[in-house]
Amino acid sequence: IAGITQAPTSQILAAGRRMTLRCTQDMRHNAMYWYRQDLGLGLRLIHYSNTAGTTGKGEVPDGYSVSRANTDDFPLTLASAVPSQTSVYFCASSPSVGGLNTGELFFGEGSRLTVL
Amino acid sequence: QKEVEQNSGPLSVPEGAIASLNCTYSDRVSQSFFWYRQYSGKSPELIMSIYSNGDKEDGRFTAQLNKASQYVSLLIRDSQPSDSATYLCAVTGNNDMRFGAGTRLTVKP
Repeated sequence: IAGITQAPTSQILAAGRRMTLRCTQDMRHNAMYWYRQDLGLGLRLIHYSNTAGTTGKGEVPDGYSVSRANTDDFPLTLASAVPSQTSVYFCASSPSVGGLNTGELFFGEGSRLTVL
Repeated sequence: QKEVEQNSGPLSVPEGAIASLNCTYSDRVSQSFFWYRQYSGKSPELIMSIYSNGDKEDGRFTAQLNKASQYVSLLIRDSQPSDSATYLCAVTGNNDMRFGAGTRLTVKP
């Protein structure tokens, strides 16, 4: 079944360590996104990419970086993890119609990250 | 003020009733509006999108949009226990999508 694959599904990480969350989609969607979800705060956008080779900052980008070398992959890197980055991370993609982003998001299953 | 506001609930309705979920947004240039359903421990899934003022119906779901009032709602008719979930309102912003914190709905048999 086509969709978005995230890895790892769960990870416990020591503070100060570097971590990359992987996201791969096989739907050939142009736009991809990384969100974090925290209780009471809902989904907050970290970074986005409208197309391969471009990225942009979302609402809470500090401490995170992304790259978009090709259409399918959109990894999220925490250079030096801190406890406040404990969260559930969702990768999402969005199709385009007639060259315009529909805005409809398709989500991966999420990566639960705990930073101690 | 948050850009997208929802009543966190919980909203509890009996089976067969109409559940009404509301959302307000602050950015007047927003053009696209979405409702997502999220079961506990799962990822959000899109259930409705609406782009113009008025009502849009899809099965038991009706989305309503009023851009002048910056208000979007979701009605669920004949609510079922399987509708029990958190419902997220999402609004397009500048190159991104902003979500409300979600309303938790419980449908009691």
